[in-house]
Amino acid sequence: GAVVSQHPSWVICKSGTSVKIECRSLDFQATTMFWYRQFPKQSLMLMATSNEGSKATYEQGVEKDKFLINHASLTLSTLTVTSAHPEDSSFYICSALAGTSYEQYFGPGTRLTVT
Amino acid sequence: DAKTTQPPSMDCAEGRAANLPCNHSTISGNEYVYWYRQIHSQGPQYIIHGLKNNETNEMASLIITEDRKSSTLILPHATLRDTAVYYCIVRSPQTGANNLFFGTGTRLTVIP
Repeated sequence: GAVVSQHPSWVICKSGTSVKIECRSLDFQATTMFWYRQFPKQSLMLMATSNEGSKATYEQGVEKDKFLINHASLTLSTLTVTSAHPEDSSFYICSALAGTSYEQYFGPGTRLTVT
Repeated sequence: DAKTTQPPSMDCAEGRAANLPCNHSTISGNEYVYWYRQIHSQGPQYIIHGLKNNETNEMASLIITEDRKSSTLILPHATLRDTAVYYCIVRSPQTGANNLFFGTGTRLTVIP
């Protein structure tokens, strides 16, 4: 089946620093990837849609200058949290859209803790 | 997007069938019913989906009412590893982008 990986699986960083999270589709090409955020005891919230070779589309209320998304290839999208603050601490999950099947396959998530 | 309504939580005894209901009264004709689950601190896992016929795979069965306004996910023999939050989502696959709206889901606890 289609596999999506994320790296790192967890990260702790200091307030004011930037953190990059990678999302890779391991055995398929994904022209579209999605980034979600999940706070404790809450559901997943879509942050942005990332299309290979073009700018990401951000959901309302998500700061595009703070959450930089790069989808440079058909198998890799990155999310960079710039100038991270404690309120950015969350579980970040990516998913990849598998070509003509239109199915979304999810990564295992990255837990970010900002101290 | 059609929205769904699920009970916030359910318990099920280990080995028994878990029946998770979902209401989607505003579903449109080209929208499928999808079920995902999320085990604690993991990404969502696809379970099953269907349009109007009942579906079964190695994980679960999906029963969709004739009017398509509700459905039930059935885990035939629940195990402790099935403890998770189960999400019922309606979407049109042809427009996969942006269409996965995760509601609050049902937190299923399988009890030994």
